[in-house]
Amino acid sequence: SQKIEQNSEALNIQEGKTATLTCNYTNYSPAYLQWYRQDPGRGPVFLLLIRENEKEKRKERLKVTFDTTLKQSLFHITASQPADSATYLCALGGSNDYKLSFGAGTTVTVRA
Amino acid sequence: NAGVMQNPRHLVRRRGQEARLRCSPMKGHSHVYWYRQLPEEGLKFMVYLQKENIIDESGMPKERFSAEFPKEGPSILRIQQVVRGDSAAYFCASSPQRTDTQYFGPGTRLTVL
Repeated sequence: SQKIEQNSEALNIQEGKTATLTCNYTNYSPAYLQWYRQDPGRGPVFLLLIRENEKEKRKERLKVTFDTTLKQSLFHITASQPADSATYLCALGGSNDYKLSFGAGTTVTVRA
Repeated sequence: NAGVMQNPRHLVRRRGQEARLRCSPMKGHSHVYWYRQLPEEGLKFMVYLQKENIIDESGMPKERFSAEFPKEGPSILRIQQVVRGDSAAYFCASSPQRTDTQYFGPGTRLTVL
């Protein structure tokens, strides 16, 4: 069965540094991959989408890469700020599949 | 431009009672998805509905759970005869088409005593 794994440990970084999160998957060939942010007690908020034929996508301080050979996506937050502290979720979807499959998330804490 | 709305935000039920969770999609969105999130786990797909139709309920438990999205009014997720294992956060998402970007509501946190 398909499996989606994100960094198992929480990430604790200093303000201004780059946070790098990983999302690895097996037994799946997604057409696209998305990253969401979730704050405690809130719903996921969409951040970025990257398709299988794209290698990299950027949005402001965020960068996502997608390697379908390694079956991995990396999510980078550059020049991190305390306001970036949250849980980040990766989600995979198929070309004819509206069902998103989510990883368990990685919690990021940015220290001032 | 209101986002996806869910109510109640918190719901406490005793074992054996019924839970009704409501979701109003974003304006202009006719596609609704329900997900469940257990502690320390990722969100799991439950059901996908369009107005008056259940398109895919493959993620729903076979018993006690049902969903609807009537022509008028919000989508409803109903859990009958709740058990402790139903305690979770239930999220609704909506999209304007059957597209890849889904917009999530704040969730309903169900606690079964």
